[in-house]
Amino acid sequence: QQQVKQSPQSLIVQKGGISIINCAYENTAFDYFPWYQQFPGKGPALLIAIRPDVSEKKEGRFTISFNKSAKQFSLHIMDSQPGDSATYFCAALTSFGNEKLTFGTGTRLTIIP
Amino acid sequence: GAVVSQHPSRVICKSGTSVKIECRSLDFQATTMFWYRQFPKKSLMLMATSNEGSKATYEQGVEKDKFLINHASLTLSTLTVTSAHPEDSSFYICSASPGAMVAADTQYFGPGTRLTVL
Repeated sequence: QQQVKQSPQSLIVQKGGISIINCAYENTAFDYFPWYQQFPGKGPALLIAIRPDVSEKKEGRFTISFNKSAKQFSLHIMDSQPGDSATYFCAALTSFGNEKLTFGTGTRLTIIP
Repeated sequence: GAVVSQHPSRVICKSGTSVKIECRSLDFQATTMFWYRQFPKKSLMLMATSNEGSKATYEQGVEKDKFLINHASLTLSTLTVTSAHPEDSSFYICSASPGAMVAADTQYFGPGTRLTVL
């Protein structure tokens, strides 16, 4: 059962544009929502994360928007750069449950000049 | 930041042989380590969770006799793929957490190991 659904599967954005990746979850026990960035042949690296007590978190060019009632959260990359080209995974975790990350299916982002 | 290493980064082996992959936390003690498997262009699938000094907890559908996990110290966990077959070819990634209570912000990922079984 896919507990975290991610879209789109792939995304092409022009340099300087805004990249938006969406995720939806089913398990209301999830209380921590991180985003990971993965380059080819490398392990994922934590990019930014949010807890459901806030609706938005911004770190530099990266912003997470969180809608608890809709059980959705999204990653926005402002002023997208070629170096942002990577695969992005959303994830969810229950801090006081089994404490295991459940990953989305991933979005391959390509930033074109 | 905390660093997790994996060795080897790539390994090619013949069908039927066993392969050991090491995961080390270089600058912190890892109470819990996780092993993931990732197929090309796919997401990470958790295989097992290991806590130092105790048996690993395997996810449903993961053969514990095929994927042996040892977390013998607070800085080292090993994954041994026994009697490897071509279908075991994959990208294996470990992550390590310094605390017994895991939160995503304290789960650090290794660079991965590409296993190819001929």
